[in-house]
Amino acid sequence: GAVVSQHPSWVICKSGTSVKIECRSLDFQATTMFWYRQFPKQSLMLMATSNEGSKATYEQGVEKDKFLINHASLTLSTLTVTSAHPEDSSFYICSARVRTGATEAFFGQGTRLTVV
Amino acid sequence: QKEVEQDPGPLSVPEGAIVSLNCTYSNSAFQYFMWYRQYSRKGPELLMYTYSSGNKEDGRFTAQVDKSSKYISLFIRDSQPSDSATYLCAMRGGGFGNEKLTFGTGTRLTIIP
Repeated sequence: GAVVSQHPSWVICKSGTSVKIECRSLDFQATTMFWYRQFPKQSLMLMATSNEGSKATYEQGVEKDKFLINHASLTLSTLTVTSAHPEDSSFYICSARVRTGATEAFFGQGTRLTVV
Repeated sequence: QKEVEQDPGPLSVPEGAIVSLNCTYSNSAFQYFMWYRQYSRKGPELLMYTYSSGNKEDGRFTAQVDKSSKYISLFIRDSQPSDSATYLCAMRGGGFGNEKLTFGTGTRLTIIP
């Protein structure tokens, strides 16, 4: 299957600082990437859909100004958690499809964010 | 009511047993059905996907979809300790522009050696 790489795997930051998470498609070009958040023992919740060259589409209840998404190239999307607070601590996962409309979505390994 | 319901478990079975994992859903627009395996602190890994109703087999894994009942299943034969993980069902509608996946909560499975 296609490979999606996410970096970093884990990060600890101080409250009030910003953290950037990268999601790369290594062997294919992804016009669309998806960002999810997962709390312990809960399912993946879609935060936003990232489209190359245009603004991201955010799900209801997700703060655009807090979770900044940039999809500057066909192989890279970034999620920046701004002014992080302890309640933002979670597991963030990105995914991508090899082409628009493809059934399979491939996931990155996830980033565990801990805000102290 | 959630769009996708999945028993969170935990489910423990002895090695070699047949495992049955299930999800129900309420949205009749769902056309594609997927099963993901997620190890602790890792991203989900796609196991199988099925379009519409029917069965699909891949090695020890069999996926079944019954759209009339809005019920999907994943069977694991000859279960191994390495199958211990959380299994997530996911589904989406058909057509372009309808790529949002809706996930179940996941079932935590433990295979006991």
